[in-house]
Amino acid sequence: GENVEQHPSTLSVQEGDSAVIKCTYSDSASNYFPWYKQELGKGPQLIIDIRSNVGEKKDQRIAVTLNKTAKHFSLHITETQPEDSAVYFCAASPLEWPGNMLTFGGGTRLMVKP
Amino acid sequence: GAGVSQTPSNKVTEKGKYVELRCDPISGHTALYWYRQSLGQGPEFLIYFQGTGAADDSGLPNDRFFAVRPEGSVSTLKIQRTERGDSAVYLCASSPRRDTEAFFGQGTRLTVV
Repeated sequence: GENVEQHPSTLSVQEGDSAVIKCTYSDSASNYFPWYKQELGKGPQLIIDIRSNVGEKKDQRIAVTLNKTAKHFSLHITETQPEDSAVYFCAASPLEWPGNMLTFGGGTRLMVKP
Repeated sequence: GAGVSQTPSNKVTEKGKYVELRCDPISGHTALYWYRQSLGQGPEFLIYFQGTGAADDSGLPNDRFFAVRPEGSVSTLKIQRTERGDSAVYLCASSPRRDTEAFFGQGTRLTVV
């Protein structure tokens, strides 16, 4: 089955700096890679996703890059703000029959210092 | 609009008891997923429904776990003879279709004492 590794496990940055979180996956059949933000006591919230026919996707301060050959993908957050502090999870899925069953990484706790 | 709703938000039960956890997906979403999240870890897939049927239950850890979705909307995760190792946050997610993004509920925190 799929295995997703995520690092670092914790990341502390100064407000306004950039943050980068990296993930690797093992199953070449995976073709859908979402990123979720989870705040304390809440469920994961989808913040951005990318499919394997795209190498990069950007949404305001958030961007995701994908390298299919190397089987790794990364989340980039620019101009970090204190409200970006949370746990971030990457995930991978083959997104084919029967459905979108996600395999998650172990999470990165991001702390943005004001 | 309303998101995925899970009840109860917290459940404390004694070892050996039976529990039911409920998930109300986003209206119109045909795909429904259950995940389990242990402390400090990422969610782990349990079971997937497309409509009323369980299309994939390969993540259920053993036969004490069972889930239903009789009318293709609300789903119930059932755990028999609970063990302390079942303590975790149980997350439900739904999607408009099987091949689209999943939206998660806030989870049910289950504590077995």
